[in-house]
Amino acid sequence: QVQLVQSGSELKNPGASVKVSCKASGYTFTSYAIYWVRQAPGQGLEWMGWIDTNTKNPTYAQGFTGRFVFSLDTSVSTAYLQISSLKADDTAVYYCARYMSGNSAGYWGQGTLVTVSS
Amino acid sequence: QSVLTQPPSVSAAPGQKVTISCSGSSSNIGNNYVSWYQQLPGTAPKLIIYENNKRPSGIPDRFSGSQSGTSATLGITGLQTGDEADYYCGTWDSSLSAGVFGGGTKLSVL
Repeated sequence: QVQLVQSGSELKNPGASVKVSCKASGYTFTSYAIYWVRQAPGQGLEWMGWIDTNTKNPTYAQGFTGRFVFSLDTSVSTAYLQISSLKADDTAVYYCARYMSGNSAGYWGQGTLVTVSS
Repeated sequence: QSVLTQPPSVSAAPGQKVTISCSGSSSNIGNNYVSWYQQLPGTAPKLIIYENNKRPSGIPDRFSGSQSGTSATLGITGLQTGDEADYYCGTWDSSLSAGVFGGGTKLSVL
């Protein structure tokens, strides 16, 4: 069965960087795009962008350019989200999700809580 | 402020029916498929409707979706206490070249 398993919670100081992993299994990794979605505490879902797992080409939504980087290691079926120069308002749960038909996100990771605090 | 507009909350009694609306524009709902997601407290979102009205395997037929013009609607019949969750609509926005979500609707089953 399709599974996306994300790395564990992170506590970071302001200005630091974090790298969240999303390991996929149960399907051919390079056949489906990976989305990244942010959810700040008590808030709704925010689409951050996506990465083409075949070409490795990332696309970032407005507000997620510059400090946010999507990457892949196809040898281990894993997608990564790196955030640099962390700020307090980056505190959120970050989800990876796999494309399904009609641009939907059919499968989701369990989420990774990133807390930015001194 | 979300590109897609949903009511903040809806409520209904167990066994009853509820609908949740999602309003957009021609650049999103009007020309792209709508998906619906259920997020139970403390868990990741789960896809319950895709391509406007299709249900993934394992989603009961108590859940339905429809789309008309620039709006979409999620329907849930035979409400159960286990349906209490936040529900989000989502679609692609061709003008933004990005995915977009509604602000979410909290369903209470009283």
